[in-house]
Amino acid sequence: KAGVTQTPRYLIKTRGQQVTLSCSPISGHRSVSWYQQTPGQGLQFLFEYFSETQRNKGNFPGRFSGRQFSNSRSEMNVSTLELGDSALYLCASSLGQGIYSPLHFGNGTRLTVT
Amino acid sequence: AQRVTQPEKLLSVFKGAPVELKCNYSYSGSPELFWYVQYSRQRLQLLLRHISRESIKGFTADLNKGETSFHLKKPFAQEEDSAMYYCALSGPNTGNQFYFGTGTSLTVIP
Repeated sequence: KAGVTQTPRYLIKTRGQQVTLSCSPISGHRSVSWYQQTPGQGLQFLFEYFSETQRNKGNFPGRFSGRQFSNSRSEMNVSTLELGDSALYLCASSLGQGIYSPLHFGNGTRLTVT
Repeated sequence: AQRVTQPEKLLSVFKGAPVELKCNYSYSGSPELFWYVQYSRQRLQLLLRHISRESIKGFTADLNKGETSFHLKKPFAQEEDSAMYYCALSGPNTGNQFYFGTGTSLTVIP
């Protein structure tokens, strides 16, 4: 099976711009989660989608949004970018059925805001 | 509130020495605990999980509910074990969210 695919791998944006990140989950996985990874904070949960519905959202401002399509692919959008948004954004997919479904991660999108 | 704590940011051991990476958690109820590993230039991947009771690459982890710990252990460290290790928690009360520790960078000295 192909793994979780994230595009693009790298992005450089300017403050105030917006950005869209894409994630294709493992075939058959209906849950997609997004995490922000920074050296000081580790992995911070952004949100989780299952069958096109957002089931949970982390403690991030409304500038961070996402969606999931009927084929389970997901996108994350960040509007009005700030310098502090520079981070590695990880997408993870899972079967999403219960607490025993481990996460499978993509390689991430490295976002740099200047 | 749910929380995962990895007290050591950096850990260095010599090849062949035992290694223990500490993980403590805070959770009301019965959590499921995981260890994830990230080797250099590779994606974050599952190493092992409590429910499987398995040993992966010589690593084991025991859930101690009394001490709320899930430490990762290996009796003889190898150079290829050098990586970043993250402890993670999920449970019925987490809303399908995983809580991760801040990670421990393990270096095995030849």
